[in-house]
Amino acid sequence: DQQVKQNSPSLSVQEGRISILNCDYTNSMFDYFLWYKKYPAEGPTFLISISSIKDKNEDGRFTVFLNKSAKHLSLHIVPSQPGDSAVYFCAASITGNQFYFGTGTSLTVIP
Amino acid sequence: DSGVTQTPKHLITATGQRVTLRCSPRSGDLSVYWYQQSLDQGLQFLIQYYNGEERAKGNILERFSAQQFPDLHSELNLSSLELGDSALYFCASSVASETYNEQFFGPGTRLTVL
Repeated sequence: DQQVKQNSPSLSVQEGRISILNCDYTNSMFDYFLWYKKYPAEGPTFLISISSIKDKNEDGRFTVFLNKSAKHLSLHIVPSQPGDSAVYFCAASITGNQFYFGTGTSLTVIP
Repeated sequence: DSGVTQTPKHLITATGQRVTLRCSPRSGDLSVYWYQQSLDQGLQFLIQYYNGEERAKGNILERFSAQQFPDLHSELNLSSLELGDSALYFCASSVASETYNEQFFGPGTRLTVL
């Protein structure tokens, strides 16, 4: 049972434009959400997180939005750069418990 | 470089066999997590150890077991291997036991069962 879903397996965006990656979850008990970025032949690396008490968190070019009523999470990358091309995973947890990961979205930023 | 090391990088074996995957966490991290990523699947949480003790269990098969040693390195043992066990196995570490602590992932071990 996939509790965290990334319905877009891939996304292509022009350099300089905004990339929007989406994530939906089913468990209303999740209270902590993260995005990880993964390059080929490497492990995932932490990108940004958000607690359920917030609806937005920014870190440089990366912003995560949380819509609890819709059980929806999104990651905005502005402006997109070729080095952002990677697979992005969203993950959710009930604090103190295990993480549930989505299946990933492969982002390609076209120069 | 996350500071988490995993060996071996690649492993090819036959059905029915047993393998051991090894993980060394970042210096100072007490928690180790194991994940499995099968083709077109997200990372599936298998098990977490904190300072030598099992802390949380996910969708880990009974044929799989893990342990964390006094020096904090961890091993994941996979036995009676089946074709469906072919996957990338990631280890991650964090400083404490709660999931809001950032997890640092190793590069993974790719297991192929023939």
